Amino acid sequence: ETGVTQTPRHLVMGMTNKKSLKCEQHLGHNAMYWYKQSAKKPLELMFVYSLEERVENNSVPSRFSPECPNSSHLFLHLHTLQPEDSALYLCASSQKGGTGTGYGYTFGSGTRLTVV
Amino acid sequence: DAKTTQPNSMESNEEEPVHLPCNHSTISGTDYIHWYRQLPSQGPEYVIHGLTSNVNNRMASLAIAEDRKSSTLILHRATLRDAAVYYCILRDVSFGNEKLTFGTGTRLTIIP
Repeated sequence: ETGVTQTPRHLVMGMTNKKSLKCEQHLGHNAMYWYKQSAKKPLELMFVYSLEERVENNSVPSRFSPECPNSSHLFLHLHTLQPEDSALYLCASSQKGGTGTGYGYTFGSGTRLTVV
Repeated sequence: DAKTTQPNSMESNEEEPVHLPCNHSTISGTDYIHWYRQLPSQGPEYVIHGLTSNVNNRMASLAIAEDRKSSTLILHRATLRDAAVYYCILRDVSFGNEKLTFGTGTRLTIIP
């Protein structure tokens, strides 16, 4: 366990379904992130939440909708996805600091999503 | 973000040291050098980071060139559990920028 827990670990959904991915961290971090990892491609940053406020949305389609109700929880709501959205979705957290010491990210194990 | 260049893949024998190189010729003064690794079926995990001086921790050592345009991650005695993709990332934390941008990394294979 890394301190960042993602559920479910695996998800198969149809293109008309609505589902949500959940991420929970118990590290006291104040920034959380969603990344997408497709086969044979680098990790792509999707969303950044800092102090529960969305600070970055990297041109992600509106069929992905993030939610950060508090500093410990992050959701990714999915609806009308396409088969090309099948990927490993990773959540991470970090401590946003003003000291510039470059604190590390802690990642969860990811949710393997298959859209059929 | 400043770019890093790493070999696509490397092989090493078990119980021998491994030196993973990274070039970052456009590094700026406020860029920290971070290394992460991703084991199969897991999310990336933090390995080490540094700014100017060499760094050691329980997982690895980081050797940074004097001009900071390259660095080397050193695994002192590789085990089969070190087989992973290793990412070298520059992270500018000035102005509260917390982004980590991943490249394609180096896939390390350990030969028993």
